[in-house]
Amino acid sequence: EDQVTQSPEALRLQEGESSSLNCSYTVSGLRGLFWYRQDPGKGPEFLFTLYSAGEEKEKERLKATLTKKESFLHITAPKPEDSATYLCAVQAQIKAAGNKLTFGGGTRVLVKP
Amino acid sequence: SQTIHQWPATLVQPVGSPLSLECTVEGTSNPNLYWYRQAAGRGLQLLFYSVGIGQISSEVPQNLSASRPQDRQFILSSKKLLLSDSGFYLCAWSVRAGTEAFFGQGTRLTVV
Repeated sequence: EDQVTQSPEALRLQEGESSSLNCSYTVSGLRGLFWYRQDPGKGPEFLFTLYSAGEEKEKERLKATLTKKESFLHITAPKPEDSATYLCAVQAQIKAAGNKLTFGGGTRVLVKP
Repeated sequence: SQTIHQWPATLVQPVGSPLSLECTVEGTSNPNLYWYRQAAGRGLQLLFYSVGIGQISSEVPQNLSASRPQDRQFILSSKKLLLSDSGFYLCAWSVRAGTEAFFGQGTRLTVV
């Protein structure tokens, strides 16, 4: 069974204080790893897809990296508007799975000015 | 461009009442469609997914059912709601294997 564990559960940062979020996963053949941002009361917003170990993606102050067992989301010099819950999800190679995503519990990030 | 519509945004229903949540996707054909539920402060749990009209797969046994009467329409239903059905319901779509899923804005369901 595919599993995704995110840590920490919550993170409080001062504006400008860089940090990293962790996403550990076990999956029977990784097709893709996905990062989402979710604001309170809203649906998740897609950020990145990573397909193979060593791959990196960047968007503004966010950078996602991938190894064979985990992914990191680095937040560089965060601003208050980066406050959100960040979700990690994996998709397995198995065709019968209908391309479904298995999500972790998320990391709630609060950036204080 | 593709868009996903999900309604209603909030819903308060008594125990034992029926439920119907609707989701439609615009701007794409034959999408994979998904219903997820998110408990407070938790990750997303996949409830149903569909790879085509009339094709529904259920991930967890529950009091809910799903249907796909048209290519871009996905409906989540219940005949009799339970208190435990309360939660944040999210519809999503993806174009094919290995690609990201895009989510609607969700429905906050409270069963009282």
